[in-house]
Amino acid sequence: GDSVTQMEGPVTLSEEAFLTINCTYTATGYPSLFWYVQYPGEGLQLLLKATKADDKGSNKGFEATYRKETTSFHLEKGSVQVSDSAVYFCALSYSGGYNKLIFGAGTRLAVHP
Amino acid sequence: KAGVTQTPRYLIKTRGQQVTLSCSPISGHRSVSWYQQTPGQGLQFLFEYFSETQRNKGNFPGRFSGRQFSNSRSEMNVSTLELGDSALYLCASSLTGGPQETQYFGPGTRLLVL
Repeated sequence: GDSVTQMEGPVTLSEEAFLTINCTYTATGYPSLFWYVQYPGEGLQLLLKATKADDKGSNKGFEATYRKETTSFHLEKGSVQVSDSAVYFCALSYSGGYNKLIFGAGTRLAVHP
Repeated sequence: KAGVTQTPRYLIKTRGQQVTLSCSPISGHRSVSWYQQTPGQGLQFLFEYFSETQRNKGNFPGRFSGRQFSNSRSEMNVSTLELGDSALYLCASSLTGGPQETQYFGPGTRLLVL
């Protein structure tokens, strides 16, 4: 079945460092891919998405490119801030049903001044 | 535009009891999904409703049920609570539930079963 694998955390970085969080997926069909972020005590917020191969999603300095050949959707940011500290989830929309997201395990990011 | 709202935000119940959680989607959104988030299992899909019909269901026992009303508001019910049902329950809404649509999540209801 469809699944998402993302790098285990926690990831600890200094402010202004470069961030990469790896995400790979297994899916039948052509899913849409998403990155969501969860801040402590809150629900999930959409960070960015891509709906077809080679699309690049971007938001707030974060970017991810839908790579069909490597089945990947890695999240990157050139210069992280303390306020980026959160848990990041990679997800795909399940091709076999409506409004069903399949999530990775999440990666906790801690950014220190 | 108001976001997805969930009530209550926190609940404490004992084993064997039942609980009902409520979700109000973004105005105009007709698809509502529910997810369970636990440290061990992560985020898991429970079910999805559209126009008062359940279209999709995850791999959860029959103790977990839901419904949707004509105004798109949704409730989920868990009967005969078990300790393992302690979790954050998240509701998400989108316009029609299409796979390319963004799902907007509420803040969640944190359920503790003692």
